[in-house]
Amino acid sequence: QKEVEQNSGPLSVPEGAIASLNCTYSDRGSQSFFWYRQYSGKSPELIMFIYSNGDKEDGRFTAQLNKASQYVSLLIRDSQPSDSATYLCAVNPSSASKIIFGSGTRLSIRP
Amino acid sequence: GAGVSQSPSNKVTEKGKDVELRCDPISGHTALYWYRQSLGQGLEFLIYFQGNSAPDKSGLPSDRFSAERTGGSVSTLTIQRTQQEDSAVYLCASSLAGVLNEQFFGPGTRLTVL
Repeated sequence: QKEVEQNSGPLSVPEGAIASLNCTYSDRGSQSFFWYRQYSGKSPELIMFIYSNGDKEDGRFTAQLNKASQYVSLLIRDSQPSDSATYLCAVNPSSASKIIFGSGTRLSIRP
Repeated sequence: GAGVSQSPSNKVTEKGKDVELRCDPISGHTALYWYRQSLGQGLEFLIYFQGNSAPDKSGLPSDRFSAERTGGSVSTLTIQRTQQEDSAVYLCASSLAGVLNEQFFGPGTRLTVL
């Protein structure tokens, strides 16, 4: 079992709709969770981080964390073509000095 | 500089040669990370530095890989006797302190081993 798992996609969503990206992790003791966005040929950039169970909203983005079920998700409201990118979920496992990245979900917003 | 810089941006080498990749983190960032990303894949953690020491070297794929950081700033990743499977983009990131802070990524070095 991979430490951080994501559906590779591509996930195709019409412009204006909600895009839902999911991620599961194996270390139940993980405390910190991150979503990075990576445009093709570019480096990753942080979108959101979440530490506590529940929802965290920032503009059109909402991160959701459920530690009991060991999943974290990212919702993008009012999807725009500029949101088309690969979204990487990252987790800081318990007692570890590193971030484990998932393989990413490729999101495509169709006009 | 304003961001993380890496050099070279592209490196083509022959199998068996040694290569050295450089990372210059954001000024004041004490934590530095090296990752490897193969085509269409996620980021593979290689090594993490806090200051000049490396608390976690667990991601280095083999003893052909080594990294050092001097003066709490510039880091070099060295790959000895390169193999074709080493071909990838090598990304460096830095953060203020520790893994819980936002990591800022450099543009990467694309390594091609022929």
